[in-house]
Amino acid sequence: NAGVTQTPKFQVLKTGQSMTLQCAQDMNHEYMSWYRQDPGMGLRLIHYSVGAGITDQGEVPNGYNVSRSTTEDFPLRLLSAAPSQTSVYFCASSYLASGEQFFGPGTRLTVL
Amino acid sequence: AQKVTQAQTEISVVEKEDVTLDCVYETRDTTYYLFWYKQPPSGELVFLIRRNSFDEQNEISGRYSWNFQKSTSSFNFTITASQVVDSAVYFCALSEAFGTSYDKVIFGPGTSLSVIP
Repeated sequence: NAGVTQTPKFQVLKTGQSMTLQCAQDMNHEYMSWYRQDPGMGLRLIHYSVGAGITDQGEVPNGYNVSRSTTEDFPLRLLSAAPSQTSVYFCASSYLASGEQFFGPGTRLTVL
Repeated sequence: AQKVTQAQTEISVVEKEDVTLDCVYETRDTTYYLFWYKQPPSGELVFLIRRNSFDEQNEISGRYSWNFQKSTSSFNFTITASQVVDSAVYFCALSEAFGTSYDKVIFGPGTSLSVIP
């Protein structure tokens, strides 16, 4: 099993550009989520999904969109990148929200 | 609304000392789950423990132990005889079973532990 995979590992964007961070898992997990990690702020929940077709906002959803068309994939879209979105992004999955979460290796995003 | 507080931003200890990392949570649910994760300098996030709100028994795993007290809404983590390999950022997290929306997992801000040889 590959576990949770994220692409790309690194990305540099200019202000106003859009892009999609990819996340996939092969463990048949229902629950998937996106976090951003900033110094001193811990992991903040952006969006999450409890199953295919069901998504909801987390703590810091503004500027991001998600969709969940399959159990395996949970892409995160930045609509118009801003310097404030410079961060490390982690995707995670678990069987349920109450279970152990498996994290991807992270994507380091810089917005200039 | 659920909230996790880790008041200790950074802790430094000398190797072999014991250290306790504090975690205080807020929830209106009676059913919830608490977690600890470790993030070593390499950056990956590693699951350490999960505890449900109905199980207040303390747990010990090798040099690690966890003290769950519902009366004070705390879920503290103690490392006994710390080692340099324990140097990492430690996160406490909370998942409400029946929140106001779908279940989600909220993390605290983390405690950075440095173990000095």
